[in-house]
Amino acid sequence: GNSVTQMEGPVTLSEEAFLTINCTYTATGYPSLFWYVQYPGEGLQLLLKATKADDKGSNKGFEATYRKETTSFHLEKGSVQVSDSAVYFCALSPYNNNDMRFGAGTRLTVKP
Amino acid sequence: DAMVIQNPRYQVTQFGKPVTLSCSQTLNHNVMYWYQQKSSQAPKLLFHYYDKDFNNEADTPDNFQSRRPNTSFCFLDIRSPGLGDAAMYLCATSMTRGNTDTQYFGPGTRLTVL
Repeated sequence: GNSVTQMEGPVTLSEEAFLTINCTYTATGYPSLFWYVQYPGEGLQLLLKATKADDKGSNKGFEATYRKETTSFHLEKGSVQVSDSAVYFCALSPYNNNDMRFGAGTRLTVKP
Repeated sequence: DAMVIQNPRYQVTQFGKPVTLSCSQTLNHNVMYWYQQKSSQAPKLLFHYYDKDFNNEADTPDNFQSRRPNTSFCFLDIRSPGLGDAAMYLCATSMTRGNTDTQYFGPGTRLTVL
């Protein structure tokens, strides 16, 4: 079946540190891959996405590259800010529909 | 701003007492989804509507129903809530069922069952 496994948290970093949150997937064919962010008390917001192998999604300093050979879509940011504190979800949509499958989420806390 | 709105943000009900959660959208999207998100877990898809066509996930309990009276509104009905149904319920929309389409989420309704 289609599933996503992401790095368990919580992750605590100091401001300006480098961030990596690992995400790997299992899917038939070529899924689309997404990172969503959930700030406290809010719904999920799309952070970035990639729809085919070797695509790089980027937004607000975050990046992730769709790696088919390693079935991965790791999220990175070079210098995190306190305002990046949130829960980050990796997700996929299967090749033939939009029934999104989410990872368990990784809580990031950035300290000043 | 075009958006997905959920009401109420917090809902308290009693064990076994029917409850309805509401979602509306101003995006004019064709597809509306309902997800259940329990504490510290991933959102889990319950069902979706593509226009008027209802599609239930295989493992969604019969206790959960949905209605979509028009393009803008979609309701989640829980006929007899149990303690295990306490969760955040998220509504989302997308223009099509294409796998490259982004889903846009509302802020969620947190349901408490007493």
